[in-house]
Amino acid sequence: DIQMSQSPSTLSASVGDRVTITCRASQTINKNLAWFQQKPGKAPKLLIYKASSLAGGVPSRFSGSGSGTEFSLSISSLQPDDFATYSCQQYQDYPVTFGRGTTLEIK
Amino acid sequence: EVQLVESGGGLVQPGGSLRLSCAASGFTLSDHYMDWVRQAPEKGLEWLGRTRNKARGYSTLYAASVRDRFIISRHDSENSLYLQMDSLKTEDTAVYYCARVTTSGDYALDYWGQGTLVTVSS
Repeated sequence: DIQMSQSPSTLSASVGDRVTITCRASQTINKNLAWFQQKPGKAPKLLIYKASSLAGGVPSRFSGSGSGTEFSLSISSLQPDDFATYSCQQYQDYPVTFGRGTTLEIK
Repeated sequence: EVQLVESGGGLVQPGGSLRLSCAASGFTLSDHYMDWVRQAPEKGLEWLGRTRNKARGYSTLYAASVRDRFIISRHDSENSLYLQMDSLKTEDTAVYYCARVTTSGDYALDYWGQGTLVTVSS
């Protein structure tokens, strides 16, 4: 199975900050990576697919980059609504696997 | 508007069975692969399996952790997806989500239901 390692596990930041979350795959996944945002008690929401494509309705302050084994999700200017948990997911191979998540909390 | 609504969760004893349903609306179910994903309390997301679309013969794939116990099925004419769970274990306690796989040539999960809670406990 392809292992997905996310860092950091927790990130403290302030409104207006730029933050970056990293996801590393245990083997190459080309650009077959998605990022999700999840709030407590809610379903995950697709933010980024194919490593860098913005999903419909997602604000442009979110961006994704990377290919192969190293990926990142950046939020250019944090808004209050952005404090949530972010997870990466690879769909290069079965089984589909997720990172353990990064909790973005208010500093 | 695309909507996915899970139902059927609840409390079940270890060794028991449960069948979850996912009602789909706002799109043509037969065009899409569909997944089941779960999330145990305070844990990350875990992919359980996939049913491919009509064009791919509705074939299924499973995670090793559930392969011999869970079965994914679908009834496109009723816009429904199912997850039959047998021989349940306490570690199967989780919120269970159905999710749609995009048809854009990619395999991202673009829509998710709100989830249904399954608690396995004596």
